[in-house]
Amino acid sequence: DVKVTQSSRYLVKRTGEKVFLECVQDMDHENMFWYRQDPGLGLRLIYFSYDVKMKEKGDIPEGYSVSREKKERFSLILESASTNQTSMYLCASTLQGATGNTIYFGEGSWLTVV
Amino acid sequence: AQSVTQPDIHITVSEGASLELRCNYSYGATPYLFWYVQSPGQGLQLLLKYFSGDTLVQGIKGFEAEFKRSQSSFNLRKPSVHWSDAAEYFCAVGAGDYKLSFGAGTTVTVRA
Repeated sequence: DVKVTQSSRYLVKRTGEKVFLECVQDMDHENMFWYRQDPGLGLRLIYFSYDVKMKEKGDIPEGYSVSREKKERFSLILESASTNQTSMYLCASTLQGATGNTIYFGEGSWLTVV
Repeated sequence: AQSVTQPDIHITVSEGASLELRCNYSYGATPYLFWYVQSPGQGLQLLLKYFSGDTLVQGIKGFEAEFKRSQSSFNLRKPSVHWSDAAEYFCAVGAGDYKLSFGAGTTVTVRA
């Protein structure tokens, strides 16, 4: 089974802190994603990476950056956390080759910024 | 750009009754369509997907969905709901570049 692991399930951070959310997948997938999930808004794409060191902005990249130094690991960085970044963050991955390939999701990281 | 509308925010259904969740999409070409389910505190799990062929798609957990191009819809159905089907359901559309657009979700409550 494909496994997408988000190491931190629940975090509480202070405004202005730098926050790292880590994601690891074990199936050699080229594509990795970070989504943000908010009630009534569904999932919104923050960043997408299609290869090591390659990244592409999604729909809501402001206030976020990402790092992909190794194929299996994709990190989301909040340079200076703000209260409006309190949310559930979902990492996902998929193989390249066809849009119909299944996207696999991690269990999510709940971030509260106080 | 593609978009998805799930008109029902919340649906309550009795155990054993049928369930239909609505999904309307907006996209100029033939879309790639997906239904995902999210149980409380969990990530998303793929129920089924459509990108060509038979417009009636069978998925896991007894779910099916029908693609209707004329109505721009991809509604999800299950003939008999179980208590374990209580969850949030997301419809999503893809445009060939791996980036999906998700609907706002429909929360399903199952009453005994």
